[in-house]
Amino acid sequence: GENVEQHPSTLSVQEGDSAVIKCTYSDSASNYFPWYKQELGKRPQLIIDIRSNVGEKKDQRIAVTLNKTAKHFSLHITETQPEDSAVYFCAASKRASSASKIIFGSGTRLSIRP
Amino acid sequence: DAGVIQSPRHEVTEMGQEVTLRCKPISGHNSLFWYRQTMMRGLELLIYFNNNVPIDDSGMPEDRFSAKMPNASFSTLKIQPSEPRDSAVYFCASKGAETQYFGPGTRLLVL
Repeated sequence: GENVEQHPSTLSVQEGDSAVIKCTYSDSASNYFPWYKQELGKRPQLIIDIRSNVGEKKDQRIAVTLNKTAKHFSLHITETQPEDSAVYFCAASKRASSASKIIFGSGTRLSIRP
Repeated sequence: DAGVIQSPRHEVTEMGQEVTLRCKPISGHNSLFWYRQTMMRGLELLIYFNNNVPIDDSGMPEDRFSAKMPNASFSTLKIQPSEPRDSAVYFCASKGAETQYFGPGTRLLVL
C-alpha cells in the first residue's frame, strides 16, 4: 500500500548548523508533499509544501527538494535556532483529489543544542 | 477563519465511561480526518470522511470506537466503553483540495 518512510527518527544539531530530514514515498501518483512541524504540546502545523512540477522550494531558512524519479524528498533547515526544536513530519498525497488521504511519515525529533 | 475547532480540549474520565469528542471542520473543506497520537505509536489515522461519507475506517482500533459525520460542519468520535489504553491526544483535521489543517486536539486521560 501507500507508504512514506522518514529518516532519521531523531536528530541533534548544534545551533547555527544545518539539519536535513529525508523521506521516500511509494505511490508514484503522489504529487503533493507537505511538511508539518509539531512543537511540544501543540498541533502539527504546515510549514512548507512542494508540488511535483517543482524540484525545489525555499522559504527563508527552510527549503524542500523533490526527486520524482527516485521518489525522494527532503527538508533542509539552515542556521538552526532553538525554536526549530520540534517533531517534523513529511507527507505525500495526490493533489486536487479531495477524497485522497495524506500519508504521513513517522516523524523526526529535531533537537537544537545551544 | 476560525480553523478546525475541537471540543473538549481536555477530558478526564474513568474506565468504562463513554467519551465523545467533537470536531467542526474548516468551512468549505470536504474531507475530515480523526487521528490519535501517543508517544508509543506516534500519529495514527483512525478514520476519514469525504463529503460526510466514511471512506476508510481501517485505523479504528476496535468496535469500542465509532465516528459519525451527520453534516458538513460537524463530526464526532465516540469511545464506549473507554479503557486506560485509550489515553492519548486525539486530533481532528480537515482538508480542501490540497492542504490539511489540524485542530488543537483533545487530550484524553482514562483512569
